[in-house]
Amino acid sequence: NAGVMQNPRHLVRRRGQEARLRCSPMKGHSHVYWYRQLPEEGLKFMVYLQKENIIDESGMPKERFSAEFPKEGPSILRIQQVVRGDSAAYFCASSPQGANVLTFGAGSRLTVL
Amino acid sequence: GESVGLHLPTLSVQEGDNSIINCAYSNSASDYFIWYKQESGKGPQFIIDIRSNMDKRQGQRVTVLLNKTVKHLSLQIAATQPGDSAVYFCAENINQAGTALIFGKGTTLSVSS
Repeated sequence: NAGVMQNPRHLVRRRGQEARLRCSPMKGHSHVYWYRQLPEEGLKFMVYLQKENIIDESGMPKERFSAEFPKEGPSILRIQQVVRGDSAAYFCASSPQGANVLTFGAGSRLTVL
Repeated sequence: GESVGLHLPTLSVQEGDNSIINCAYSNSASDYFIWYKQESGKGPQFIIDIRSNMDKRQGQRVTVLLNKTVKHLSLQIAATQPGDSAVYFCAENINQAGTALIFGKGTTLSVSS
């Protein structure tokens, strides 16, 4: 079992560009969560998705950020027109239906120049 | 805003000592709690969890204590080892479908030989 796979592990973008972060959940997991971690801080919940559905996006910024979890393929967190404040580690986690415990990936570290 | 927090941002112990990491939560409706360990450059790893119908749960070298009266959670690590050096987060949620874990800011545990 490969666990939660995130790519890219490191991504560098210039201000105004787009960033796309991918997450493949653990085999058998149908729920995906995205969290953001700023340096020296905790994990901030962003969005919770099931296949083809957004369950809770209360932690997502209103503009420039979007997430999807299509029927086929990985979940994608998309950040348009990135700004320096978007620089952070973005973690994806997954869980089976009805479970509380989240299994996390290794994270994608976004640096905006 | 966050409902989970930690009392101390850092804790330094000697190898072989017992470590106690504390966490306070404010949401009375929370009924499920987890401790995660995050090593540098990695994603959070599950350590131990506890439901609100329990006040103590033990794992291998770790014990979680829950005091619902004062909304306090603690993680005890016995015979702390250098490999235990990491950031420790408590997280909570309400045990119902469609809710995500909410994390506190974390305590950095440093173990010296």
